[in-house]
Amino acid sequence: AQTVTQSQPEMSVQEAETVTLSCTYDTSESDYYLFWYKQPPSRQMILVIRQEAYKQQNATENRFSVNFQKAAKSFSLKISDSQLGDAAMYFCAHSQGAQKLVFGQGTRLTINP
Amino acid sequence: GAVVSQHPSRVICKSGTSVKIECRSLDFQATTMFWYRQFPKKSLMLMATSNEGSKATYEQGVEKDKFLINHASLTLSTLTVTSAHPEDSSFYICSARGPPSYGYTFGSGTRLTVV
Repeated sequence: AQTVTQSQPEMSVQEAETVTLSCTYDTSESDYYLFWYKQPPSRQMILVIRQEAYKQQNATENRFSVNFQKAAKSFSLKISDSQLGDAAMYFCAHSQGAQKLVFGQGTRLTINP
Repeated sequence: GAVVSQHPSRVICKSGTSVKIECRSLDFQATTMFWYRQFPKKSLMLMATSNEGSKATYEQGVEKDKFLINHASLTLSTLTVTSAHPEDSSFYICSARGPPSYGYTFGSGTRLTVV
């Protein structure tokens, strides 16, 4: 069964600093997708970044990048130059093919001005 | 980009009544949609997978007679909470799998309060 684990319920960082959110997952498949979603107070789920398992290169989207370690089944999110607008709940998620998304427990990120 | 519209955003209903929530893909066809439930400060819990033209697949522990799902077209899935009770109060979110470049797109959610 798919499982996704986020071991950090809460994280905080100073504005303009860098923070890394952790995520591990378990799957028996070799082809799958990994995602990081952001949920601000509005509760709208916003895609931050995604990674295809068959790609060795780590995905990057502006200030957001991932460290994908397939053998270790680890998928951490690094946010550089943190901004106040980055404050939100962050969910790591996993899917196999076009199937359902399974979410981790979430990490609440606070940005300190 | 892909957009999913979910309505209503908020609804208050009396115990024993039924409530319908709509999830519509606006600019793409979605053969598969997903319904999630989210408790305060918790993660999204998948309730069911909605497939166009066929019966929904429910996750273990979710009552299919309580949460009726209909996916009658390629752009619309509905979740009906039947005979609602206060414990059904929650935040419900739908998601659609769009074109490959879009991945999964989420609706804005529905806050259901049963009084």
